[in-house]
Amino acid sequence: DVKVTQSSRYLVKRTGEKVFLECVQDMDHENMFWYRQDPGLGLRLIYFSYDVKMKEKGDIPEGYSVSREKKERFSLILESASTNQTSMYLCASTSPTGASPLHFGNGTRLTVT
Amino acid sequence: SQQGEEDPQALSIQEGENATMNCSYKTSINNLQWYRQNSGRGLVHLILIRSNEREKHSGRLRVTLDTSKKSSSLLITASRAADTASYFCATAPPQGAQKLVFGQGTRLTINP
Repeated sequence: DVKVTQSSRYLVKRTGEKVFLECVQDMDHENMFWYRQDPGLGLRLIYFSYDVKMKEKGDIPEGYSVSREKKERFSLILESASTNQTSMYLCASTSPTGASPLHFGNGTRLTVT
Repeated sequence: SQQGEEDPQALSIQEGENATMNCSYKTSINNLQWYRQNSGRGLVHLILIRSNEREKHSGRLRVTLDTSKKSSSLLITASRAADTASYFCATAPPQGAQKLVFGQGTRLTINP
C-alpha cells in the first residue's frame, strides 16, 4: 500500500513565522500535490510537482512556495504565515498514468495565531 | 476553480438503508473519482469512472456517470455505521488529468 506521511498532524504558529510542512511518499510517485481544505470550500490545489525540482502553481498559490529536491519529498512553505492560512493541509501523490487515483496523507491542521 | 458540486451537502439515514450522493460538474472530463474522508483524516480513494464509462461497481458502491448531463451519482447500499464520513467527487480535466478538482463534499451520517 502507498504510504504518504505528513510530518505533523497539528501545528500552531505565530503570524509572520516561516512555516515548513513536509510530506514523504514511499511509492516512487512522480506527481505530488498540496491542497488546503476549508469548510464550505472543499479542497483547493495550492501547488503540484511532476518531477524533482519541477513545480506548477495550482489555484491558490499566493503566500506559498514549494520545494521538491528529492522524488519522495514535497515541502510546502509559508514564507510569512498569516491568520488566513489557518487550515487543514493535505498532501497527495500519484503515478503519472492518466487515470490514477491520488493517495493522501492524514493532513496537517495548521493554526496561525 | 470549483468544478464538482455535491448534493446534498448533508445526508442522515438509518443503518441498512441505501445512501445516494450526487455530483454535477461544468466542463469536459477525462475521469471522475469519488473519495471518502473520515473526520480529521486524509481522503481515501473509492472508485474511478472514465468518461467513456456509464456505470461501475465496487463492493457495496455503485457509481454512474452521465456525461450529457455532466453528473455522477454514488450509491452506497446496505449502509453501515462505519460508512459515516464525508464523500467528495473529483473531476480530472482532459488535459492535465492529474489535476483533480474537488467539490465541497457530502457529509453522510449513518444512524444505528
